[in-house]
Amino acid sequence: SQQGEEDPQALSIQEGENATMNCSYKTSINNLQWYRQNSGRGLVHLILIRSNEREKHSGRLRVTLDTSKKSSSLLITASRAADTASYFCATDGGSGGSNYKLTFGKGTLLTVNP
Amino acid sequence: DAGITQSPRHKVTETGTPVTLRCHQTENHRYMYWYRQDPGHGLRLIHYSYGVKDTDKGEVSDGYSVSRSKTEDFLLTLESATSSQTSVYFCAISESAGDEKLFFGSGTQLSVL
Repeated sequence: SQQGEEDPQALSIQEGENATMNCSYKTSINNLQWYRQNSGRGLVHLILIRSNEREKHSGRLRVTLDTSKKSSSLLITASRAADTASYFCATDGGSGGSNYKLTFGKGTLLTVNP
Repeated sequence: DAGITQSPRHKVTETGTPVTLRCHQTENHRYMYWYRQDPGHGLRLIHYSYGVKDTDKGEVSDGYSVSRSKTEDFLLTLESATSSQTSVYFCAISESAGDEKLFFGSGTQLSVL
């Protein structure tokens, strides 16, 4: 079963604009991660946020986590054409589940037009 | 891709034949995973390993088996391939469980005709 669900499924913006993607999940978590996948490639880890954190930054990435709403958002500022990719959130099993197994959402396809 | 090699990169096979996909890592990470990626389903965990000879099932393990005889190698076997197993298969590794990021291989595109 899918733990995380990204929204929107697809997003198209112009270079320089900001892109926001959202992830909702169903059960408690210890941490939430975001990954990027370029076409035809494997996933690449972007950022991890723990359940006791509310916001985290890494370069042009800003991630927020609201455990009361079971949701997270990924903001990419000043987007570039090279940011074109699919973005996935992944959650662990939380205190009642297995930390071995990350569950991925279906992803948001971001297209940044030059 | 972080010292992870998947082989083959592409394979076409016929229904009913056995298929083995290989994942080789040079990172000496303890945990290894096999995921499949399909349109509309995202990534789904097939099997994972938490050490040599220690494996467990994921959410879509039916029709698949795995083996890990060495730290660096994790094999995924489709015992009798079916068309529903046509997919892109990704191997991933992590140094520890839980709050550790996964490193992914480049994937194997498998077509079962």
